[in-house]
Amino acid sequence: ETGVTQSPTHLIKTRGQQVTLRCSSQSGHNTVSWYQQALGQGPQFIFQYYREEENGRGNFPPRFSGLQFPNYSSELNVNALELDDSALYLCASSFLQGSGDSPLHFGNGTRLTVT
Amino acid sequence: SQQGEEDPQALSIQEGENATMNCSYKTSINNLQWYRQNSGRGLVHLILIRSNEREKHSGRLRVTLDTSKKSSSLLITASRAADTASYFCATDFNQAGTALIFGKGTTLSVSS
Repeated sequence: ETGVTQSPTHLIKTRGQQVTLRCSSQSGHNTVSWYQQALGQGPQFIFQYYREEENGRGNFPPRFSGLQFPNYSSELNVNALELDDSALYLCASSFLQGSGDSPLHFGNGTRLTVT
Repeated sequence: SQQGEEDPQALSIQEGENATMNCSYKTSINNLQWYRQNSGRGLVHLILIRSNEREKHSGRLRVTLDTSKKSSSLLITASRAADTASYFCATDFNQAGTALIFGKGTTLSVSS
């Protein structure tokens, strides 16, 4: 089975710019979630997409937006980058089940540095 | 905001020793999960325990859950150098349980 892949692995942007991060879900999974992990912290939930619709959002401003495509790949877009956006961005896929106990499968992340 | 908080923040042990990490959370949950993260990489799912379960085993891992105290523990027996990583507990954010709230993690260092 194909795991979760993210691109690019590293990215350097300037404050005020926009960035797009990409994720390819694990085969058979229909849900993708994005997390932000600052250095020394645990991952923070940004949002989740299920069947191309946003299915939950954490405490992040609207300049963080996303897309999920019919093949279950996904994008995370961040506009008007701020220095505090520097972090590891993790994508995770799962199969949304009614019992609600589907483990997340993570990619290795994109390290974003904002200067 | 962080739901789960791990304790201790850092733990250093010798190979062969047991490692115990604790997690406390604030609100009622459907399930609790533990993940491992090697430096700079993605998280790997270790074990999930449901709110109606008290203990669960997987290989060298033993997880307990006490919903009355809103706490969980992860025990790694006979630790190996390869167990060196950060360990996070995570609780479900929504009813479906596929959005998780993670703690700050425990950094485990196992020396040979």
